[in-house]
Amino acid sequence: AQKVTQAQTEISVVEKEDVTLDCVYETRDTTYYLFWYKQPPSGELVFLIRRNSFDEQNEISGRYSWNFQKSTSSFNFTITASQVVDSAVYFCALSELMETSGSRLTFGEGTQLTVNP
Amino acid sequence: SQTIHQWPATLVQPVGSPLSLECTVEGTSNPNLYWYRQAAGRGLQLLFYSVGIGQISSEVPQNLSASRPQDRQFILSSKKLLLSDSGFYLCAGEQGPNEKLFFGSGTQLSVL
Repeated sequence: AQKVTQAQTEISVVEKEDVTLDCVYETRDTTYYLFWYKQPPSGELVFLIRRNSFDEQNEISGRYSWNFQKSTSSFNFTITASQVVDSAVYFCALSELMETSGSRLTFGEGTQLTVNP
Repeated sequence: SQTIHQWPATLVQPVGSPLSLECTVEGTSNPNLYWYRQAAGRGLQLLFYSVGIGQISSEVPQNLSASRPQDRQFILSSKKLLLSDSGFYLCAGEQGPNEKLFFGSGTQLSVL
């Protein structure tokens, strides 16, 4: 069975600090996809990134960066120079294909990030 | 771009009453559609998914059912709500398997 662990339930930082959100996953599949989503207080989940299991290259998008380490089954997310608007719950998720050609996302429990001014 | 419209935003229902939550999709055709429930602002639990009209798969046995009468319409229903059905319900879609999910804004359901 697939599993995603986000060990940090809550993180609080001061604006402009860097912060890393951890994600560790378990799967028996050789091909899989990993995702990060942001859930602001409004509730709607916002897609941040998708990474397939064959692409271990780290990615940077503005202040966001992702470190995929297949050897440790981790897909960590770093926000550089955090801002108050980054305050949200962040979810890491792992995708598996289902028999009917849909995909099942297994979500972690989420990390509540609070950025204080 | 793909958009999910979901309503209502909040709903308060008495125990034993029926439920109907609807979501509609814009900007894409033949999407895979999903209903998730989120309890206490934490992890999401997949309830139902659909890969086409009339095709529904249930992930967790429960008091709820789903239907997909049209390509871009996905409905979550219950004949008699339980207290345990309270939660935040999210409709989501994807163009193909393992593509990114796009989510609706959610419905906060309180069963009293």
